[in-house]
Amino acid sequence: GNSVTQMEGPVTLSEEAFLTINCTYTATGYPSLFWYVQYPGEGLQLLLKATKADDKGSNKGFEATYRKETTSFHLEKGSVQVSDSAVYFCAGATGNQFYFGTGTSLTVIP
Amino acid sequence: DGGITQSPKYLFRKEGQNVTLSCEQNLNHDAMYWYRQDPGQGLRLIYYSQIVNDFQKGDIAEGYSVSREKKESFPLTVTSAQKNPTAFYLCASSPRGSGGLETQYFGPGTRLLVL
Repeated sequence: GNSVTQMEGPVTLSEEAFLTINCTYTATGYPSLFWYVQYPGEGLQLLLKATKADDKGSNKGFEATYRKETTSFHLEKGSVQVSDSAVYFCAGATGNQFYFGTGTSLTVIP
Repeated sequence: DGGITQSPKYLFRKEGQNVTLSCEQNLNHDAMYWYRQDPGQGLRLIYYSQIVNDFQKGDIAEGYSVSREKKESFPLTVTSAQKNPTAFYLCASSPRGSGGLETQYFGPGTRLLVL
């Protein structure tokens, strides 16, 4: 079936470090891909998305590129801040199905 | 402002009691969804609705019921048949019932606790 797999956390980084959270997908056809962020006690917020191969989604300094050849959609940020501490979810959408990864917890320390 | 609201923020359930979680959206979205999130885990789909007066079971529908009498509203009832209801419940909506390429937008969530 359709699914996304993301790296397990938790991830702890120092402020201004480089962030990568890996996400790979398994799907029939070409899914749309998303990254959501969840702050403690809140719902999920859409961070960025890409709807076709080679598209790059970007928002708030975060980026992810839809790579068909490696079936990946890795999240990156060049310099993380304490305020980026949250849980990040990779998600995909194919046909009538929307599917989420298990989430990666990020803690950024000053 | 357009968005999705969920109420209450916290809800307490006694043994054997049915409780209803509210979800309202003013985004004019056709599709609405209910997810359950357990600590340290991802989201699991409970029910979804692509159009008024129609809804489908998700992966973990047992012990839950929904209705979709209005486009804006998709309440979730946690029945006494749900033996482990303690979780964080998230409502979402998307613009088109076809799902797929559409983005889902989430409400702030309701945390349900059992007394």
